[in-house]
Amino acid sequence: SQQGEEDPQALSIQEGENATMNCSYKTSINNLQWYRQNSGRGLVHLILIRSNEREKHSGRLRVTLDTSKKSSSLLITASRAADTASYFCATDDRDDKIIFGKGTRLHILP
Amino acid sequence: DGGITQSPKYLFRKEGQNVTLSCEQNLNHDAMYWYRQDPGQGLRLIYYSQIVNDFQKGDIAEGYSVSREKKESFPLTVTSAQKNPTAFYLCASIITGKGNQPQHFGDGTRLSIL
Repeated sequence: SQQGEEDPQALSIQEGENATMNCSYKTSINNLQWYRQNSGRGLVHLILIRSNEREKHSGRLRVTLDTSKKSSSLLITASRAADTASYFCATDDRDDKIIFGKGTRLHILP
Repeated sequence: DGGITQSPKYLFRKEGQNVTLSCEQNLNHDAMYWYRQDPGQGLRLIYYSQIVNDFQKGDIAEGYSVSREKKESFPLTVTSAQKNPTAFYLCASIITGKGNQPQHFGDGTRLSIL
């Protein structure tokens, strides 16, 4: 029961540039979360945005949520080599489980 | 430091063998989850438990079993009935069984077939 779908599937940018990833989902949500996964590791929670919020910031991260379009975006500003990872959006379902998308693989080029 | 510990990091299974993956947390979280991740894919939910001595099937429970005898522990057994067990297995926990809290993850167990 896939809910969120990230776009693009893969993204390569030069160090210092901004990276934008998008997430679309199908049904109404209470909140949406973004996670990062470094290769061979577990997921790390980045940010949670509630359905009544439109934008949220955390350091170099900016997340927006448009519930009318059922979409969210994650912007990483001034990218660094350490930002190379996969990024997943996750939404809650009516059974209070969290459903993950397939992720965007971000590669920061030196 | 509080966290989730998964062991072993790598595991090999012979045909017809059951193997058990360990997941222990010292975060005092109520709910625990097991996910399977295949290459280039997202996470698929295998089983979850919102309270001790209770657990529910996720989307791909066939060929797997779990127990939740203690709050800290949620082991996953991959049985011989699971015909394609090669994957990366992730355990997660959450303070309550609600979907509005961030999940904390272990560093995974990579299971391969010999």
